[in-house]
Amino acid sequence: EAGVAQSPRYKIIEKRQSVAFWCNPISGHATLYWYQQILGQGPKLLIQFQNNGVVDDSQLPKDRFSAERLKGVDSTLKIQPAKLEDSAVYLCASSSLGRSYNSPLHFGNGTRLTVT
Amino acid sequence: KQEVTQIPAALSVPEGENLVLNCSFTDSAIYNLQWFRQDPGKGLTSLLLIQSSQREQTSGRLNASLDKSSGRSTLYIAASQPGDSATYLCAVIDTGGFKTIFGAGTRLFVKA
Repeated sequence: EAGVAQSPRYKIIEKRQSVAFWCNPISGHATLYWYQQILGQGPKLLIQFQNNGVVDDSQLPKDRFSAERLKGVDSTLKIQPAKLEDSAVYLCASSSLGRSYNSPLHFGNGTRLTVT
Repeated sequence: KQEVTQIPAALSVPEGENLVLNCSFTDSAIYNLQWFRQDPGKGLTSLLLIQSSQREQTSGRLNASLDKSSGRSTLYIAASQPGDSATYLCAVIDTGGFKTIFGAGTRLFVKA
């Protein structure tokens, strides 16, 4: 099966600019996650979707970050305006079986964002 | 609040050695614990998932154990190879907030 697809792989922007990341999960996976991974740290959950509804966005900085998952498939994550501390790798993951928490997570290769 | 800690932060071993990576978590109310591998510049690859009712899972040269009551898991790698060099992360899903919480990882280097 095809894996989780993310684009772009790399992005360099100046602070206060905006940026968007795209994710296409594994076909049939109901649950989609966006994680932020700062260098040397484990991934931190930003937002979790089940189909096209938000399950958890408690750690999403909503004043600058937004995410959507139209039609319950692809998802986009946007940052506007970006800050220096947003420099990180943004990882998308998906899992099957909806609210079954015993389904493994499958990750994409991530987008490395550098804010200058 | 659930916290996940991995020790050591980095480990260097000669090829062929058996090794153990450690993961601890503060709240034993979890659904499962998952071990991942991350290569430089890549996403995470799932290695093993242990449900809360299980004690261990095995895949090839990898064996993961779970002691939920003490808040610990270990990942055992047998006969290590240079291709095992990567960062290994553990993550738990707790029953409180249903979040997946990651440790910071152990960076493993296997010398040929």
